Amino acid sequence: EVQLLESGGGLVQPGGSLRLSCAASGFTFSRYVMTWVRQAPGKGLEWVSAISSSGGARYYADSVKGRCIISRDNSEKTMFLQLNSLKAEDTAVYYCAKGGVEPTVTAFLFDSWGQGTLLTVSS
Amino acid sequence: DIQMTHSPSSLSASAGDRVTIACRASQGIRKSVAWFQQKPGNAPKLLIYETSTLQSGVPSRFSGSGSGTDFTLTISSLQPEDVATYYCQQYHSAPFTFGPGTKVEIK
Repeated sequence: EVQLLESGGGLVQPGGSLRLSCAASGFTFSRYVMTWVRQAPGKGLEWVSAISSSGGARYYADSVKGRCIISRDNSEKTMFLQLNSLKAEDTAVYYCAKGGVEPTVTAFLFDSWGQGTLLTVSS
Repeated sequence: DIQMTHSPSSLSASAGDRVTIACRASQGIRKSVAWFQQKPGNAPKLLIYETSTLQSGVPSRFSGSGSGTDFTLTISSLQPEDVATYYCQQYHSAPFTFGPGTKVEIK
């Protein structure tokens, strides 16, 4: 069974930084694309970032580009999201999700999700 | 960037009704559309991918159709447990955008 467990959320002041983690189990982590999706309170889903199975290709939404670094450690089966220069509008539940295998048409289909970790940016 | 839009933004229907939600992409995305169900306080759950393929374990009352830019999610007989917000998403190209969602309620 695929399991994804996010951690690292919390209360951060505007301008601060934070690193989120996603620990994976139940599948061969190193074979799959992984992604982060966020949801602001009472709002819809917003895709944030994705990373290829090897970590060699990284993709970002415009809203976080330049402030965000996605990475992964395949030996530890863990994905990370480093967020810098945090703004109030970054306040959200951050979900990690498992993608598919490259290069297939479903490489960026996100089929399993964690329960999310809440990041609050406030002074 | 590819924009995804939904219609309607919300709906209320009786148990047993057939419910249809539409999703439109701002440009052609072949069949690269997924539908997610999200209940309050829960993570999204994948229902359908590649426009019409039912994810394992999803009840057969859910179905998807469409191609190119116009896509549809249908619930053939609405059940109380289907109360949720439904999102379409394109995974054709980055950024992998979601629609704004359709909230489904029971009358």
